[in-house]
Amino acid sequence: RKEVEQDPGPFNVPEGATVAFNCTYSNSASQSFFWYRQDCRKEPKLLMSVYSSGNEDGRFTAQLNRASQYISLLIRDSKLSDSATYLCVVNVTGGGSNYKLTFGKGTLLTVNP
Amino acid sequence: NAGVTQTPKFQVLKTGQSMTLQCAQDMNHEYMSWYRQDPGMGLRLIHYSVGAGITDQGEVPNGYNVSRSTTEDFPLRLLSAAPSQTSVYFCASSRQGHYGYTFGSGTRLTVV
Repeated sequence: RKEVEQDPGPFNVPEGATVAFNCTYSNSASQSFFWYRQDCRKEPKLLMSVYSSGNEDGRFTAQLNRASQYISLLIRDSKLSDSATYLCVVNVTGGGSNYKLTFGKGTLLTVNP
Repeated sequence: NAGVTQTPKFQVLKTGQSMTLQCAQDMNHEYMSWYRQDPGMGLRLIHYSVGAGITDQGEVPNGYNVSRSTTEDFPLRLLSAAPSQTSVYFCASSRQGHYGYTFGSGTRLTVV
């Protein structure tokens, strides 16, 4: 099983749609969780951290289920500017203070007018 | 603040040549990492550092060396470039390992 698996996509949705991304991780020692977005030919940028209690940032809601090792991202009222690749990222401790980010392969979202 | 600065942005090397990809951050972050991104493979960790003088290998370290003599700088050295090292390389830094990382804008490397 891959360390971090995401929906393969791509997703094509109309403006205003709600879209959900799912992600599973295999290492139960994972410590922290993130969603990044990456625009074409650009660097990944942190979208939001993901907490067990769930967290929301405007139109974006992230959920974490540690028991199921499952992470989700919900985008409401999608905008053209949301078009990007969304990366699920898990921080796995290597012991002590060593942390390593492990990335999913990403899901491409295209929001159409 | 400039954040994470990578140089060069583009580079073409011949097989067997060596070079150093530069990475510098001005945020006083302890944690720094190098990733490569290939189509269909996602980002893979090459080497990382948890502080000056401390480095460790990631998932794909072969053919690369790193050192961390200062908090600010974390150069990545290609010892003898191979076509398989054609990729986009990203440097990233974080205040602590469990915080989100800030990425540089990347270096697009082609080995011919």
